Amino acid sequence: EVQLVETGGGLVQPGNSLKLSCATSGFTFSTAWMNWIRQTPGKRLEWLAQIEDKSNNYFISYLESVKGRFTISRDDSKSSVYLQMNNLKEEDTAIYYCTWFAYWGQGTLVTVSS
Amino acid sequence: DIVMTQGALPNPVPSGESASITCQSSKSLLHSNGKTYLNWYLQRPGQSPQLLIYWMSTRASGVSDRFSGSGSGTDFTLKISSVEAEDVGVYYCQQFLEYPRTFGGGTKLELK
Repeated sequence: EVQLVETGGGLVQPGNSLKLSCATSGFTFSTAWMNWIRQTPGKRLEWLAQIEDKSNNYFISYLESVKGRFTISRDDSKSSVYLQMNNLKEEDTAIYYCTWFAYWGQGTLVTVSS
Repeated sequence: DIVMTQGALPNPVPSGESASITCQSSKSLLHSNGKTYLNWYLQRPGQSPQLLIYWMSTRASGVSDRFSGSGSGTDFTLKISSVEAEDVGVYYCQQFLEYPRTFGGGTKLELK
């Protein structure tokens, strides 16, 4: 059974950082292209970043508006993908999902507020 | 960026009736390989989005055959035949032809 479990969300002040983790199981992680997608309080879905697999040199793509603040990474030995988020803004408040193909985790809530 | 625009449903939809959800893209999603790079998702209340349809018309594993996807390069339709209680939620279309991947704003389905 495919599972994706996000952790690391919480309440953070504007300007601070947070690192999200996504632990996976049930599929061959090392060849999977992994994504982070967020859902705003208004229910809008926003794709953030993708990291490809080793055969594609771990090529990374970002949404322009988070490039330079967010960093996606992966650890194939742990079947995990990460999202480092720096200089957080109130508009980054959302549920953050990691996804692989048809599969989504349950999401982790990030609230940016003073 | 490719803009995805979804239409609204005349809610609530009577149980057993059919419902069609529209989605329009600002650029053709038809690739030269003949495939159309469009997904449909359903997000039930309190759940993560679930993939229903990919390549515009291919049902994901385990998805009821009451769901069908169709369209052209820029205009798409998700049809739900004989709407049931489990179909309630918000439907999203998404293009995966280009980066950034972009989603429509969602279409809510309510049951009568």
